[in-house]
Amino acid sequence: DGGITQSPKYLFRKEGQNVTLSCEQNLNHDAMYWYRQDPGQGLRLIYYSQIVNDFQKGDIAEGYSVSREKKESFPLTVTSAQKNPTAFYLCASSRTVVGGEQFFGPGTRLTVL
Amino acid sequence: AQSVAQPEDQVNVAEGNPLTVKCTYSVSGNPYLFWYVQYPNRGLQFLLKYITGDNLVKGSYGFEAEFNKSQTSFHLKKPSALVSDSALYFCAVSPRVGSARQLTFGSGTQLTVLP
Repeated sequence: DGGITQSPKYLFRKEGQNVTLSCEQNLNHDAMYWYRQDPGQGLRLIYYSQIVNDFQKGDIAEGYSVSREKKESFPLTVTSAQKNPTAFYLCASSRTVVGGEQFFGPGTRLTVL
Repeated sequence: AQSVAQPEDQVNVAEGNPLTVKCTYSVSGNPYLFWYVQYPNRGLQFLLKYITGDNLVKGSYGFEAEFNKSQTSFHLKKPSALVSDSALYFCAVSPRVGSARQLTFGSGTQLTVLP
């Protein structure tokens, strides 16, 4: 059953703690993405990766970090430097960055207390 | 930089009536254009895309979209709405050339189909 998985679905953390969100895909896609979704603001790109061991900052990368050690995996770390981390986080993948439709995971809702 | 505008935060339509969700874009050159749908607390699902060719693009679940280059629009349409179409719809654009070719999403339009 091909697709993208994100875990956990819900995550609660105390202010000042780093937290890592998991994203795995078995679609053999080269490109992977992380988005943040806030009410009324649509999706904003945090980071994206076109190939293994390479990634680029998106529009709102400050306070976040990523790694791409394997084609299948693109974890996102929300650091204590992120001023307002409570949000819905979506991971996506596509065959290519240019022109290819993106397939989305189910999302992780992060709440910082 | 590219941008997408979805001018209506909310669209209400009666079941069985035609629906339109509006999208306009700004991008250098010819765009790639996409529509996605999101159900509550879920990820986005791809509906359709415009790459080239016929300006009327047909997609999943009976949806279609019309690319209008002169008006820089890509409105989503369906001839007969279903209650199950109620969801959040996103338009997205990507330029074909340049260094920033990742997708830019609109802010979304909440579609409610009334029984």
